[in-house]
Amino acid sequence: GEDVEQSLFLSVREGDSSVINCTYTDSSSTYLYWYKQEPGAGLQLLTYIFSNMDMKQDQRLTVLLNKKDKHLSLRIADTQTGDSAIYFCAEGPFSGGYNKLIFGAGTRLAVHP
Amino acid sequence: VTQNPRYLITVTGKKLTVTCSQNMNHEYMSWYRQDPGMGLRLIHYSVGEGTTAKGEVPDGYNVSRLKKQNFLLGLESAAPSQTSVYFCASSYSRGDQGGDNQPQHFGDGTRLSIL
Repeated sequence: GEDVEQSLFLSVREGDSSVINCTYTDSSSTYLYWYKQEPGAGLQLLTYIFSNMDMKQDQRLTVLLNKKDKHLSLRIADTQTGDSAIYFCAEGPFSGGYNKLIFGAGTRLAVHP
Repeated sequence: VTQNPRYLITVTGKKLTVTCSQNMNHEYMSWYRQDPGMGLRLIHYSVGEGTTAKGEVPDGYNVSRLKKQNFLLGLESAAPSQTSVYFCASSYSRGDQGGDNQPQHFGDGTRLSIL
């Protein structure tokens, strides 16, 4: 079945790099996503990667995809206090499954001075 | 994507409806629930006006998509286990044709408490 796992908590110092990791079980999804959720808000799409790519860079964000190990990571360079949020990894859509997304439980990123 | 209401407190057994609206001409709309320590779980979805389908956790919920821009989530008889934060999402793509990606846009959530 489809399952997405993430570590639940990450603490980093302001200015350092953050790396949030995610593993998934179903390799038939077309895309893998990273969403950001700030307190009391909905999910904001940060970035996504096509499942046949290895890496995508978007300003301070770098996404790495290891298809063999079914491992996805999000690196945030020069982490700022405004990056403190919950980060969700998700995969989808699946063959014949319309735009269904499977989410991980989210990683809470805390940035301290 | 706009959800109403944003907050709701009610009691067991009540019937209630949460509305979701989008003005982006999106085909696909969906409802998720978010519980502590868990990711978002799909309740129901719709691939176009007049269509609905079950997701992962549909029991106790009903939905309707009478107009393309609106997707309503109903609880016939609210239960404490349905206390959660509910998110509506929509996308232009139905996601069944592969190729071009049309990511989902999420509303700000409806925090529902059932006593």
